[in-house]
Amino acid sequence: AQSVAQPEDQVNVAEGNPLTVKCTYSVSGNPYLFWYVQYPNRGLQFLLKYITGDNLVKGSYGFEAEFNKSQTSFHLKKPSALVSDSALYFCAVRNTGGFKTIFGAGTRLFVKA
Amino acid sequence: DSGVTQTPKHLITATGQRVTLRCSPRSGDLSVYWYQQSLDQGLQFLIQYYNGEERAKGNILERFSAQQFPDLHSELNLSSLELGDSALYFCASSVEQGPYTEAFFGQGTRLTVV
Repeated sequence: AQSVAQPEDQVNVAEGNPLTVKCTYSVSGNPYLFWYVQYPNRGLQFLLKYITGDNLVKGSYGFEAEFNKSQTSFHLKKPSALVSDSALYFCAVRNTGGFKTIFGAGTRLFVKA
Repeated sequence: DSGVTQTPKHLITATGQRVTLRCSPRSGDLSVYWYQQSLDQGLQFLIQYYNGEERAKGNILERFSAQQFPDLHSELNLSSLELGDSALYFCASSVEQGPYTEAFFGQGTRLTVV
């Protein structure tokens, strides 16, 4: 069965510092991995995805994510955090032939000025 | 703006009632997904349609049903509502149905059952 774990409920970081939001997954077959962000009272917004190829994926708003097959991880990163990055971040996974997207529980990112 | 439109934005109804949530996907998107977001359950996949046909079912209760119409808009019907059905219901759409395709989410319908 597919599953996604986001081990941290909340991540706190100071503005200008690098940030990492962690995600590990379990899936049979090749994984397709996604990060979405949710701002208050809004729907989820796609940030980036890993399909195949380069393990470092670049996405919107300066975010990137590193796929690590041996550790079954797909951590979201940004070199320099902004206060406006404060939001709820979701990692999601699908597998080959799978129609369901499984979302993690979400990690709340708080960037302090 | 994702291009996915959901109506209504807010809905308050009593237990035992039935409601219909509506979703218009982005122009050109054939696939529609429904999700339920609640504090205790997180984001739960309910059901997916592709070009009018059901493609996948998740944790959707028997009291809930959905359909996708020929014009590709979709409706989620919730009946015999219970207090626990109070949640944010999202619709999302994508061009294709494949696993590598990202989805675009609407702003959601907040359902409150009293």
